[in-house]
Amino acid sequence: GAVVSQHPSRVICKSGTSVKIECRSLDFQATTMFWYRQFPKKSLMLMATSNEGSKATYEQGVEKDKFLINHASLTLSTLTVTSAHPEDSSFYICSASTGGWYIHFGPGTRLTVL
Amino acid sequence: GENVEQHPSTLSVQEGDSAVIKCTYSDSASNYFPWYKQELGKRPQLIIDIRSNVGEKKDQRIAVTLNKTAKHFSLHITETQPEDSAVYFCAAITGNQFYFGTGTSLTVIP
Repeated sequence: GAVVSQHPSRVICKSGTSVKIECRSLDFQATTMFWYRQFPKKSLMLMATSNEGSKATYEQGVEKDKFLINHASLTLSTLTVTSAHPEDSSFYICSASTGGWYIHFGPGTRLTVL
Repeated sequence: GENVEQHPSTLSVQEGDSAVIKCTYSDSASNYFPWYKQELGKRPQLIIDIRSNVGEKKDQRIAVTLNKTAKHFSLHITETQPEDSAVYFCAAITGNQFYFGTGTSLTVIP
């Protein structure tokens, strides 16, 4: 149980385009979802926390107009990278929680902006 | 807010030796401390955790110790194997907020 999926797993886009990444909890309802950015061999950098039905809470230094997060239902959260640039290339991972201490990670999305 | 520091950032050990990774935290209200292992290209997986009312927990070759007074907790891997090679990161949880350490890249040399 407690499976989290992400789609797409890999995306390549041109500079200036927008990319949407989906995070789904497949067999449980996630009251809270987290979005992270990860650089090679580095730990996770929390970008934002989203609660179903409310606005996401962004970490300091993360541009909320650039990284749009929507948590429309208890099983789906989306991260949209708007007007992507090469410096946005990274590995983006989501995790989902039912509100307790245990979080379940998605498999990640590799974004490459040309 | 909470500040979690993790050391070392890279660690190489010979197969069969032990590996120790240490994390310190700043918020005494933190009460749950998980450790995650992330293999290359895969999602992080919880490998062991400890709650603030426990000083030590062991699961086969993996153990975690917690010193609440000093605000540090450590991951111990004994009899390391090549498949233990991965990035490990700790976390400290305050309420429902997760604060991650900066990660340790462990390489086990056959």
